[in-house]
Amino acid sequence: DIVLTQSPATLSVTPGESVSLSCRASQGISTSIHWYQQKSNESPRLLIKYASQSISGIPSRFSGSGSGTDFTLSINRVESEDFSVYYCQQSYSLPRTFGAGTKLELK
Amino acid sequence: EIQLQESGPGLVKPSQSLSLTCSVTGYTITSGYDWSWIRKFPGNKMEWMGYISYSGSTNYNPSLKSRISITRDTSKNQFFLQLNSVTTEDTATYYCARGVAWFAYWGQGTLVTVSS
Repeated sequence: DIVLTQSPATLSVTPGESVSLSCRASQGISTSIHWYQQKSNESPRLLIKYASQSISGIPSRFSGSGSGTDFTLSINRVESEDFSVYYCQQSYSLPRTFGAGTKLELK
Repeated sequence: EIQLQESGPGLVKPSQSLSLTCSVTGYTITSGYDWSWIRKFPGNKMEWMGYISYSGSTNYNPSLKSRISITRDTSKNQFFLQLNSVTTEDTATYYCARGVAWFAYWGQGTLVTVSS
């Protein structure tokens, strides 16, 4: 199985800061990575697909980059509604796997 | 608008079977796409469990292969999860979702606790 390692586990920021969340794959996976946001007691929400493709209805402050083994989710000027947990997930091979998540919290 | 909703018992005893239903509205499950089950354990770990395709074929996570079955009822536009011989480690929030590459549509999730 492909292991996805997300870092940091927790990121403490103030609103208005810009942040980068990392996801590293245990082997090359081209651009087969997708990012989700999950707030407490809600279902995950797809933010970015295939590393950098935007999703309709997702604010433009969310962007993704990377290929191979290293991927980044960037949030430009964090807003209060962005404090939640972020997961990466790979679709390069079965079984699909998720990272352990990065919690974005208010400093 | 497509919507998915999970239903089933919230409490299952160890060694018994867990059975959940995902009811889909706004899209016919035989029209296309694959349909997955995903679970989130306490502590936030997420696990993809398996899928059933629009044509009815299935694929399961090898970690569950001997215990899991995903089936469907096309007349009711529903698909199902059965997980046998559950233990306390199967306690999780279970989600159904559309797709198998990425997951744009999810159910609201249902918490299943395995306890005697």
